[in-house]
Amino acid sequence: EPEVTQTPSHQVTQMGQEVILRCVPISNHLYFYWYRQILGQKVEFLVSFYNNEISEKSEIFDDQFSVERPDGSNFTLKIRSTKLEDSAMYFCASSETGEGQPQHFGDGTRLSIL
Amino acid sequence: GNSVTQMEGPVTLSEEAFLTINCTYTATGYPSLFWYVQYPGEGLQLLLKATKADDKGSNKGFEATYRKETTSFHLEKGSVQVSDSAVYFCALRRGSTLGRLYFGRGTQLTVWP
Repeated sequence: EPEVTQTPSHQVTQMGQEVILRCVPISNHLYFYWYRQILGQKVEFLVSFYNNEISEKSEIFDDQFSVERPDGSNFTLKIRSTKLEDSAMYFCASSETGEGQPQHFGDGTRLSIL
Repeated sequence: GNSVTQMEGPVTLSEEAFLTINCTYTATGYPSLFWYVQYPGEGLQLLLKATKADDKGSNKGFEATYRKETTSFHLEKGSVQVSDSAVYFCALRRGSTLGRLYFGRGTQLTVWP
């Protein structure tokens, strides 16, 4: 069964550095998402992306964050000038068109900011 | 606003026990409802879904019925197994396919042999 793949599985970065999290969505999916889960807290929506532009973003997704689909297969989340509170599990998801289609999630990237 | 409230965990059961994990929601319009499961060290996997009132989602022995009158989507399984030990998340999505998911806090289930 096709799946969403995320790399790396664990990223350790010094505070203030930039980090890029990578995702390969399922190939025929057109909608893409990033969520994050701080340890012990809810899974929170960050951003949705369709037709090469952001469709919706949450209040968390400020100027520090950006997303890109640099080619036909990858979908990336860039975090500039990382802060300690950016430490979390980041999940990528994708879905296909059609009423009621669910979002399919990757295994996540654990981001640790030191 | 839109939100999901799940029963607090952790839930600990013996194998073959009956499971209920309560989920209620607040939403504008007519949301779609989902249960996701997260096994240790893995991502979120869709367990089941329901897209309109009175729909029953089912998968792997789990069931949940979309109850509009009580704004609920409780997860049930008649006989749990050790392999069901995981974190279960209730979620809603407003409107279209593109809409964001709103998650509950998750309920940790541990099943003992």
